[in-house]
Amino acid sequence: GQGVEQPAKLMSVEGTFARVNCTYSTSGFNGLSWYQQREGQAPVFLSYVVLDGLKDSGHFSTFLSRSNGYSYLLLTELQIKDSASYLCAVRDPGGYKVVFGSGTRLLVSP
Amino acid sequence: DMKVTQMPRYLIKRMGENVLLECGQDMSHETMYWYRQDPGLGLQLIYISYDVDSNSEGDIPKGYRVSRKKREHFSLILDSAKTNQTSVYFCASSLSGLGGPEQYFGPGTRLTVL
Repeated sequence: GQGVEQPAKLMSVEGTFARVNCTYSTSGFNGLSWYQQREGQAPVFLSYVVLDGLKDSGHFSTFLSRSNGYSYLLLTELQIKDSASYLCAVRDPGGYKVVFGSGTRLLVSP
Repeated sequence: DMKVTQMPRYLIKRMGENVLLECGQDMSHETMYWYRQDPGLGLQLIYISYDVDSNSEGDIPKGYRVSRKKREHFSLILDSAKTNQTSVYFCASSLSGLGGPEQYFGPGTRLTVL
């Protein structure tokens, strides 16, 4: 089985950066996705990583270390509108299932 | 315009009543999902459908069943709803086998069981 853990809350300041951490335990691995979910809305796909290292996608970047079961989502030049929950999701190699973490609620203050 | 729709958006039922939640997608995606989301617990997988009449239990299938008779429609049924099934239910779809890296989510249905 798989467990996906994320800190519940994170606070940062407009114009700076925020790093949203995700750790997972798995008997196998078939990729990790990040989603953004605003209050009262559906999750929206941000990024997918399957190889180790940093994947730079501009405002959002993602890092993966498979040997450590660790990923993070890095948001740079934060804006107030980046305040949302960020969900980490790990694909189960045994099938089609995806296991979601409980999400990190990011609050960006002025 | 790629889209996943859910009906109804809000629903209030009494304990013991039957509930039907409907989901549609216009992307011809093979794989569809039903999740529920509760505060502090994140998204929990109820059922997966790989295609028409090809469904599999997720992590919390008890108390739920599904139906998929057309690729574009996936229904979640609660027979004799319970108060602990009060939640927000999300439907999602993805393009290809092994779930595809990107899931497209519907807007959610907020179900209250009294």
